[in-house]
Amino acid sequence: SQTIHQWPATLVQPVGSPLSLECTVEGTSNPNLYWYRQAAGRGLQLLFYSVGIGQISSEVPQNLSASRPQDRQFILSSKKLLLSDSGFYLCAWSVIGSYEQYFGPGTRLTVT
Amino acid sequence: QQQVKQSPQSLIVQKGGISIINCAYENTAFDYFPWYQQFPGKGPALLIAIRPDVSEKKEGRFTISFNKSAKQFSLHIMDSQPGDSATYFCAAVPTAGGTSYGKLTFGQGTILTVHP
Repeated sequence: SQTIHQWPATLVQPVGSPLSLECTVEGTSNPNLYWYRQAAGRGLQLLFYSVGIGQISSEVPQNLSASRPQDRQFILSSKKLLLSDSGFYLCAWSVIGSYEQYFGPGTRLTVT
Repeated sequence: QQQVKQSPQSLIVQKGGISIINCAYENTAFDYFPWYQQFPGKGPALLIAIRPDVSEKKEGRFTISFNKSAKQFSLHIMDSQPGDSATYFCAAVPTAGGTSYGKLTFGQGTILTVHP
């Protein structure tokens, strides 16, 4: 069966510090991968999606970047965090050609 | 045109009652409509989904009703239980052409509270 992991689960970082959040998927090959941010426990904002290794599309211009160094690994990064980067970050995957997305457990990021 | 409008923002229902959450869309290219359930501190989980070739889909106590002409769809939770208390999101995506890359457009969410 497929599983999706995210780490860390929680993170508190000062303004101006770098960020690296990791997402890995097990039990499937060549998935579509997605990064979302959820503010204040409400709406889901799509940040990045990837259809293959090294293929990243950005949905919203911002202080963040994403990379996909391996087929089932998706990384969200920032060189310098802003207070507005605080939120709940969710990774999701789907089978290519399917529209069912499966979400990871999320990372709660607090920028202080 | 890409928005999915969800209502109400919050909903309080007594145990055993029916919870109804509504969503409306403008983009006629949307043809796959999933609903997600999210508990506090957890990632959303796919609950049920529908395509516009059917007007209703039922899975257990959860039913999606779809009105293609009105461009609206809704989630009904029958015999609501305190364990159903969560945030519910509707979503939509166009599947024809294969160019959407599975990017879902989400509603803003409904916080459901079921009182015992």
